[in-house]
Amino acid sequence: NAGVTQTPKFQVLKTGQSMTLQCAQDMNHEYMSWYRQDPGMGLRLIHYSVGAGITDQGEVPNGYNVSRSTTEDFPLRLLSAAPSQTSVYFCASSSPGRYTGELFFGEGSRLTVL
Amino acid sequence: TQLLEQSPQFLSIQEGENLTVYCNSSSVFSSLQWYRQEPGEGPVLLVTVVTGGEVKKLKRLTFQFGDARKDSSLHITAAQPGDTGLYLCAGDVIGSSNTGKLIFGQGTTLQVKP
Repeated sequence: NAGVTQTPKFQVLKTGQSMTLQCAQDMNHEYMSWYRQDPGMGLRLIHYSVGAGITDQGEVPNGYNVSRSTTEDFPLRLLSAAPSQTSVYFCASSSPGRYTGELFFGEGSRLTVL
Repeated sequence: TQLLEQSPQFLSIQEGENLTVYCNSSSVFSSLQWYRQEPGEGPVLLVTVVTGGEVKKLKRLTFQFGDARKDSSLHITAAQPGDTGLYLCAGDVIGSSNTGKLIFGQGTTLQVKP
């Protein structure tokens, strides 16, 4: 079972470069989200989506764009990378319910911005 | 602003000792989840608590949700080296249900020495 797949696993960028972190899930989950993880800060929500064509901002959206054209894919775009975006990024998916259900996470993408 | 305060942030103990991790907030949660994360991997769900005062047990791990649904605790009995990892609490804030959004605590890094 693939679950949630993130690519690339590692990436080094120079300040000002752009890139896209890919995320795909094969569980037919309606909800998908992107988190970043920094030491001592847990996971912070960047953007999330409740279905194809619907996205919204999380806690730390500045510098990131997302789109959701299909149920399966939820890419995260960095338009002009900054050193403050050095972090580990996690994509997650879940199903709707009376309360937020289990988040299924990818293995993470470690990004370094020089 | 961290809505969920997790403590302690670091814990190093000997095998066989007991420990408790706390997760506190001034916000009321519809549900609260505990995740465990190992290096290089995404978090994996341990348990979800949804009822105030609820207690759930998972082998040597005991999870409790506060009566007012503002806090939770994780107690590990007779810790083993295999329990080593990062433990994260995550809450589903009332009013944000059915969106797949969770607020995470800062995490507790647990090291159990043989």
